[in-house]
Amino acid sequence: AQSVTQLDSHVSVSEGTPVLLRCNYSSSYSPSLFWYVQHPNKGLQLLLKYTSAATLVKGINGFEAEFKKSETSFHLTKPSAHMSDAAEYFCVVSPPSSNTGKLIFGQGTTLQVKP
Amino acid sequence: DAGVTQSPTHLIKTRGQQVTLRCSPKSGHDTVSWYQQALGQGPQFIFQYYEEEERQRGNFPDRFSGHQFPNYSSELNVNALLLGDSALYLCASSLDSGGTYGYTFGSGTRLTVV
Repeated sequence: AQSVTQLDSHVSVSEGTPVLLRCNYSSSYSPSLFWYVQHPNKGLQLLLKYTSAATLVKGINGFEAEFKKSETSFHLTKPSAHMSDAAEYFCVVSPPSSNTGKLIFGQGTTLQVKP
Repeated sequence: DAGVTQSPTHLIKTRGQQVTLRCSPKSGHDTVSWYQQALGQGPQFIFQYYEEEERQRGNFPDRFSGHQFPNYSSELNVNALLLGDSALYLCASSLDSGGTYGYTFGSGTRLTVV
């Protein structure tokens, strides 16, 4: 069975400082991994996606994530936080090439950005 | 180009009633998946529709049912509503059932059961 664990339910950073949101996954197969962001009253937006190509994945708005198979981790980072980054972030795993369409979400991490 | 459209945005129902939620996929997408997001939780997969058939189902009771129309739009029906059904219901569309090219999510329908 596949699962994801987001290690922090809440992260608070100051504007201009680095962001680190941690995610560990469990999968019997080589998974597809995603990070999604959810702003209040808005739909989920894809930040980035890992599908067994480069282990360092660059996404939108300056975010990137590194796939580390040995650590079963897929942490999300950003060098400098902006006030607009305050939102809920979800680490997501999907069964590879199974055509199930089932995304498995973590519990989410709330990112607070202080001025 | 419109993304995924869901209606209504909010609604309030009484325990025991039935509700229908609607979703129009992004232009060009033929696959629709539904998710339930309880307050403070990540979304949970309900089911996926492709070619007007339910292709995959998550761990939800038969009170949850759906339909996909020839124009690829979809409905989610919930019967005999329980207080625990209160949640944000999200619709996601994709070009294929496996989401090879990604999923586009709507803003959701906030259902409150009282």
